[in-house]
Amino acid sequence: EAGVAQSPRYKIIEKRQSVAFWCNPISGHATLYWYQQILGQGPKLLIQFQNNGVVDDSQLPKDRFSAERLKGVDSTLKIQPAKLEDSAVYLCASRPAGDTQYFGPGTRLTVL
Amino acid sequence: QKEVEQNSGPLSVPEGAIASLNCTYSDRGSQSFFWYRQYSGKSPELIMFIYSNGDKEDGRFTAQLNKASQYVSLLIRDSQPSDSATYLCAVTPAGNEKLTFGTGTRLTIIP
Repeated sequence: EAGVAQSPRYKIIEKRQSVAFWCNPISGHATLYWYQQILGQGPKLLIQFQNNGVVDDSQLPKDRFSAERLKGVDSTLKIQPAKLEDSAVYLCASRPAGDTQYFGPGTRLTVL
Repeated sequence: QKEVEQNSGPLSVPEGAIASLNCTYSDRGSQSFFWYRQYSGKSPELIMFIYSNGDKEDGRFTAQLNKASQYVSLLIRDSQPSDSATYLCAVTPAGNEKLTFGTGTRLTIIP
């Protein structure tokens, strides 16, 4: 079974630029999560989707971050404009009903 | 008070010894408890989960939960150099799938 796919794996941008990350969850997994992991910290949930609906986006900085999950499968996370403090690894995870979360390899973002 | 607290370490343990990792949580209504292992530059991978008070064993790993003390621990027996990683404790509240992670404990096994 293929795992959670993410791209790009690495991205370097300058502050105030825009960036987008893509996630393809494991086939059949209805729930999808985006986490932000700053160096030395644990992952922090940004947004949770159930199929293509948002379940929890309470910790998403909505003035600059947006996310969508079209057709309940792939998802994109966008930052516009980026700040220095957005430098982190962005992890996507998916979960089938009644099971635990499976993480993708992450996208490491560096904002200069 | 942080929701999930862990000693950041580093924790150094000789090869073959028992490594003990600890985690406390603030929400008394928390229902599910997870231990993830994260190698440097990699994503977290689930090692164990525990829902009920007591011990749960899986190979060299034992998770211990004490809801009265709001405390969960992970024991690694016969520690191997390949166990060197950051161990993340995560908790979900009752009726919610949302994982809240601690900051992680960095474990180093010394050959």
